[in-house]
Amino acid sequence: EVQPVESGGGLVQPGGSLRLSCAASGLTFRTYEMNWVRQAPGKGLEWVSYISGSGTTMSYADSVKGRFTISRDNARDSLYLQMNTLRAEDTAVYYCARGATLYSLDLWGQGTLVTVST
Amino acid sequence: EIVLTQSPGTLSLSPGERVTLSCRASQSVSSSYLAWYQQKPGQAPRLLIYGASSRATGIPDRFSASGSGTDFTLTISRLEPEDFAVYYCQQYGSSPRYTFGQGTKLEIK
Repeated sequence: EVQPVESGGGLVQPGGSLRLSCAASGLTFRTYEMNWVRQAPGKGLEWVSYISGSGTTMSYADSVKGRFTISRDNARDSLYLQMNTLRAEDTAVYYCARGATLYSLDLWGQGTLVTVST
Repeated sequence: EIVLTQSPGTLSLSPGERVTLSCRASQSVSSSYLAWYQQKPGQAPRLLIYGASSRATGIPDRFSASGSGTDFTLTISRLEPEDFAVYYCQQYGSSPRYTFGQGTKLEIK
C-alpha cells in the first residue's frame, strides 16, 4: 500500500507554532481513523492525537491537550496537526499512522522532525 | 492510565537463537487490543502483531505472540539478521487512547 507522507516539520522557537500535514492518497482515506504518534530523539513512541474517519471525534494526550489540534480534509486525503505554544519537550519525529484492525496502527509515514529550540 | 512495562530493556543474542520478549500491563488489558511493532534505526515502526496473537500482513511465521490479562509475549523462533531492532508493545484504551511500552532492543551478540 501507499505509505502516508508527512511534511511541515522544522525548527521553531519555544512558544511558536507549526502545522504538520500528512498526505494519504490511495488509502481510501476517509474510511480510516488516523493518529499522530511522536518519538523524541532516542526515546520511545508516544501517542499524540486521534481523529475519526468522519473528523467528528478527536482525542489528545494530556501532554498536548489545549495546545495541539488535529483535523482532516477527506476531499484532499490529508491529515493535519496544528501545534501551538510549542515547548522544548515537543521536539520529536512526528508520524501519522492509520488506525486498523482491533485498534492497531498498520500504516505509518516516515515521519517529520520538529525541533523546538532557541 | 495503563502502563506497559517491557522487559528486558536490551537483549544481546545471536542469529538463529530463539527469543521471547515480555510486555506487562499495570492493569488488565483487553487482549483484542494488544499489538506489537518492530522499529529499525531511522525507520517508522512496522506492525507485527494485532489482537495479541494475529500476525499482520506479510509478517513471517517465525514471529508469534500470545498472552492475556496483564502478561503478553512476543516470540521470534529463530532470529534472522534483519530481526535485530527495537520492539514495542501497544494497547488501546479510553484515555489515553493508545499506550506504548518503552521498548526492548534486540542487538547482535
